[in-house]
Amino acid sequence: SQTIHQWPATLVQPVGSPLSLECTVEGTSNPNLYWYRQAAGRGLQLLFYSVGIGQISSEVPQNLSASRPQDRQFILSSKKLLLSDSGFYLCAWRGYYGYTFGSGTRLTVV
Amino acid sequence: GENVEQHPSTLSVQEGDSAVIKCTYSDSASNYFPWYKQELGKRPQLIIDIRSNVGEKKDQRIAVTLNKTAKHFSLHITETQPEDSAVYFCAARQHNAGNMLTFGGGTRLMVKP
Repeated sequence: SQTIHQWPATLVQPVGSPLSLECTVEGTSNPNLYWYRQAAGRGLQLLFYSVGIGQISSEVPQNLSASRPQDRQFILSSKKLLLSDSGFYLCAWRGYYGYTFGSGTRLTVV
Repeated sequence: GENVEQHPSTLSVQEGDSAVIKCTYSDSASNYFPWYKQELGKRPQLIIDIRSNVGEKKDQRIAVTLNKTAKHFSLHITETQPEDSAVYFCAARQHNAGNMLTFGGGTRLMVKP
């Protein structure tokens, strides 16, 4: 069966520090992968998507970047975090039965 | 790109009543419309979806309708229960290489016992 793993679950980082969030998928090959961000009490905003290794598309200009070094690995990064980067980050993949989200990372930038 | 509008932003109903959440989309090429339920602090979970070749789909107390001509779709929950309280998101999938979902702003549903 297909599963999606995302870590860490929570993260508190100072302004200006780097960020690396990881997402991995099991049980499937060549999945479409997505990073979404959800600000407190708000909807889900698509940040990046990837249709294959090394292929990254950005939906909004921002302080973040994404990489896909392996088929089932999707990484969200930042060199220097801003206060506005705080939020709930969700990785998702598109399977036959629709989109499945990871458990999310709650990032607080202080 | 796709734009999805969702209404209302908050909805309060009495237990046992019905709840209806409505969404509109802008891209007529969108072909897949899922609904997600998100409980506090948790990931969104798919509860029902509908494809563009179908007008209505039902799963127990939950139903979704789609009007392609008007570009709107709705979620109907009957006989609401307190455990239905959550934030609900509609979404539309664009028919392009990325097949990404564009989400509505969400509806906070509160079911009062």
